[in-house]
Amino acid sequence: QITLKESGPTLVKPTQTLTLTCTFSGFSLSTSGVAVGWIRQPPGKALEWLALFYWDDDKRYSPSLKSRLTITKDTSKNQVVLTMTNMDPVDTATYYCAHSRYSTKSYYFDYWGQGTLVTVSS
Amino acid sequence: QSVLTQPPSVSGAPGQRVTISCTGSSSNIGAGYDVHWYQEVPGTAPKLLIYGNNNRPSGVPDRFSGSKSGTSASLAITGLQADDEADYYCQSYDNSLSGLYVFGTGTKVTVL
Repeated sequence: QITLKESGPTLVKPTQTLTLTCTFSGFSLSTSGVAVGWIRQPPGKALEWLALFYWDDDKRYSPSLKSRLTITKDTSKNQVVLTMTNMDPVDTATYYCAHSRYSTKSYYFDYWGQGTLVTVSS
Repeated sequence: QSVLTQPPSVSGAPGQRVTISCTGSSSNIGAGYDVHWYQEVPGTAPKLLIYGNNNRPSGVPDRFSGSKSGTSASLAITGLQADDEADYYCQSYDNSLSGLYVFGTGTKVTVL
């Protein structure tokens, strides 16, 4: 049974760095064709993909946010960590981590965490 | 601004069939990348509905089906039920600088 759960602060101040942790179980991130991704959703708005950590330790970032994002893996703890620098109120959103699987020429997200709401406010 | 465009809303009576379009371009759907669909009930995490254009994960009713043609894709819901009322998102890959893994703008399905 695959499960994922996000953890981190619910409130951050503008200009601060956000660190979110995705703790997962039921799969190995070393398995070929598997990845863990981060997706966010501002209140009342659409889903936005942020970053993906692949089974072979490759990483990809949203081009519009690439300069602010870092995604890492802690294999011993079954965790994937996302950091986002220079937070702004427009970054207020529910942040999801998700298990991702390869489909022809792309990845999709088949298991999602419950999400964590992060509010950026002074 | 997403590179995948969906209608903001569609509606139908119980039992009817509704379709949701997902319009892309030559750098995403038109380039042959698969399209996937998600259902999001307000207050809950998105749920995978269709992967690889037209495949349903275990547990998803066959009332949901997907298709793809050219630079567009569609999700069809037949036998519309009250609990189908939710937001629906398409997702694909884009090989331009617009986003790599991109989601659609989202469609609210209302059951009348």
